[in-house]
Amino acid sequence: AQTVTQSQPEMSVQEAETVTLSCTYDTSENNYYLFWYKQPPSRQMILVIRQEAYKQQNATENRFSVNFQKAAKSFSLKISDSQLGDTAMYFCAFSATSGTYKYIFGTGTRLKVLA
Amino acid sequence: GAVVSQHPSWVICKSGTSVKIECRSLDFQATTMFWYRQFPKQSLMLMATSNEGSKATYEQGVEKDKFLINHASLTLSTLTVTSAHPEDSSFYICSASRGYTEAFFGQGTRLTVV
Repeated sequence: AQTVTQSQPEMSVQEAETVTLSCTYDTSENNYYLFWYKQPPSRQMILVIRQEAYKQQNATENRFSVNFQKAAKSFSLKISDSQLGDTAMYFCAFSATSGTYKYIFGTGTRLKVLA
Repeated sequence: GAVVSQHPSWVICKSGTSVKIECRSLDFQATTMFWYRQFPKQSLMLMATSNEGSKATYEQGVEKDKFLINHASLTLSTLTVTSAHPEDSSFYICSASRGYTEAFFGQGTRLTVV
């Protein structure tokens, strides 16, 4: 069975600074996707970034980038130039490419960006 | 991105009654939809996988007779909470996947049972 672990329940960062959120996972699958989702106070889940396991290059989306270490089963999210609107819960998620597209979520990290 | 609409956004019902929550994929066909439950300040817990035209697959510990799922078409899945009780109060979220690359989430439904 797959598991996703986020070891940082809460974090804070000053506006314009950089912050890194950690995520580790465990799986025996060879092919899978990893995701970071943002859940603001509205509770709408928003995709931040995704990474395909077979791609060695780390994914980047504007101010968001990941550090994907497949051997270590680590998938951290770096937010650069943090903005007040980045304040939200962030969930790391795993989806194997075999089976039913089921997502496994980590417990989440509550990020607060301070003015 | 694709749009998944969930309705209602919030509902209050009396203990012992049933409540139906709808999840629609508005601009794509979803053969598989998922239902999650989220407690305050906690993660999303997968309840069941809804398959179009067949029975839902429930996760361990989820009562299938309590949480009835119907996926009657490629764009609609419904979750009915039967004989609701206060402990069923929670935030319920649906999602629909378009392949493995991304899941699209509904806005969620806040259920309060009084």
